[in-house]
Amino acid sequence: AQTVTQSQPEMSVQEAETVTLSCTYDTSESDYYLFWYKQPPSRQMILVIRQEAYKQQNATENRFSVNFQKAAKSFSLKISDSQLGDAAMYFCAYRSGLGGGSNYKLTFGKGTLLTVNP
Amino acid sequence: ETGVTQTPRHLVMGMTNKKSLKCEQHLGHNAMYWYKQSAKKPLELMFVYSLEERVENNSVPSRFSPECPNSSHLFLHLHTLQPEDSALYLCASSQDGKGRDEQYFGPGTRLTVT
Repeated sequence: AQTVTQSQPEMSVQEAETVTLSCTYDTSESDYYLFWYKQPPSRQMILVIRQEAYKQQNATENRFSVNFQKAAKSFSLKISDSQLGDAAMYFCAYRSGLGGGSNYKLTFGKGTLLTVNP
Repeated sequence: ETGVTQTPRHLVMGMTNKKSLKCEQHLGHNAMYWYKQSAKKPLELMFVYSLEERVENNSVPSRFSPECPNSSHLFLHLHTLQPEDSALYLCASSQDGKGRDEQYFGPGTRLTVT
């Protein structure tokens, strides 16, 4: 079974600075998808960024980018120019690219709580 | 109203009660999900419905019973729960549930079992 590990339970960053959140995963599959979700204190979880394993180019979404290292099974999230609104719990997630029922399942890490200091 | 809504937002119930959680999505999606979120644990997928058919059931105890009457509505019926079932229950929906498909989450129901 796939597992997702976020080794940093908590992180903090100064406003306007850059922070990197770590995520590693364990899989024997070659086709899969990786996601970062954000859950602000209001509790509604939203997608931040996603990456297809077959793509070598790292995904970017405005101030958010990933460092995808397939061989190392690492998928870190970089937040540039941090803003107070970035404060949230961040979850890394994995989905298999295989056919069948396993495609539906997202496997989540335990999350990293990010604090942004003014 | 847009997105994914959940009611009630908070629920306190005794172990002998029967209650139901409701989820509604206004996004035209075909897949819906129930997750359990407990402190210091990863989100646990409970059930997945695709086109109103249950496609995944992750060894969830029978005291949790899902129902999907149509592609816009999802219920979680609760009966004879245990205190360890206290958690945040999240509903989500997505277009088809596969590949790079994004899941849209509701705000959750905070359940306390006394």
